[in-house]
Amino acid sequence: ETGVTQSPTHLIKTRGQQVTLRCSSQSGHNTVSWYQQALGQGPQFIFQYYREEENGRGNFPPRFSGLQFPNYSSELNVNALELDDSALYLCASSLEGQGAKNIQYFGAGTRLSVL
Amino acid sequence: AQRVTQPEKLLSVFKGAPVELKCNYSYSGSPELFWYVQYSRQRLQLLLRHISRESIKGFTADLNKGETSFHLKKPFAQEEDSAMYYCALRAWSGSRLTFGEGTQLTVNP
Repeated sequence: ETGVTQSPTHLIKTRGQQVTLRCSSQSGHNTVSWYQQALGQGPQFIFQYYREEENGRGNFPPRFSGLQFPNYSSELNVNALELDDSALYLCASSLEGQGAKNIQYFGAGTRLSVL
Repeated sequence: AQRVTQPEKLLSVFKGAPVELKCNYSYSGSPELFWYVQYSRQRLQLLLRHISRESIKGFTADLNKGETSFHLKKPFAQEEDSAMYYCALRAWSGSRLTFGEGTQLTVNP
């Protein structure tokens, strides 16, 4: 059973650019959640995808968008990057549904620096 | 709105001493509570969840709905317990996790 993998591990962008972060969910999982973790803070929920549909969104502007693919992998896209977008971006996958464990397993994260 | 508060950013104890990491929450319904742990250079991982009522690595946590708390306890701390601990709340199965800001636990020899 493979765990949650994220790529790239580190990324440096400049203000105004666009970025795509990728996440491969754990085998058998149908749900992916994305979180932003600023330095010294706890993770903050961005959005969640369940069976390729957005299934909840946190307090993030529309320039944060995502996709989930038929194999349940996922992308997080951020347009018009701002300095405050510098953070660790975490992906978590889970098996959701009746009778499922509903536990989120986290990837190691992508460290994004916006200059 | 749901909120998780961990009042201590840093907690330092000596090996063998009891440790308690505090977590308070605000939510009007019946939430599910979790403790996640992040050891140095490792990913965030689940330590325990209140519905399991388990003891993991000697840690226990009891959900106190009257005090809206979910404190994490261990009677005898070990050096390998040094890590960042996050308390998290989920309003219903499948929804977002709301995390506290974390407590960095250091267990000194």
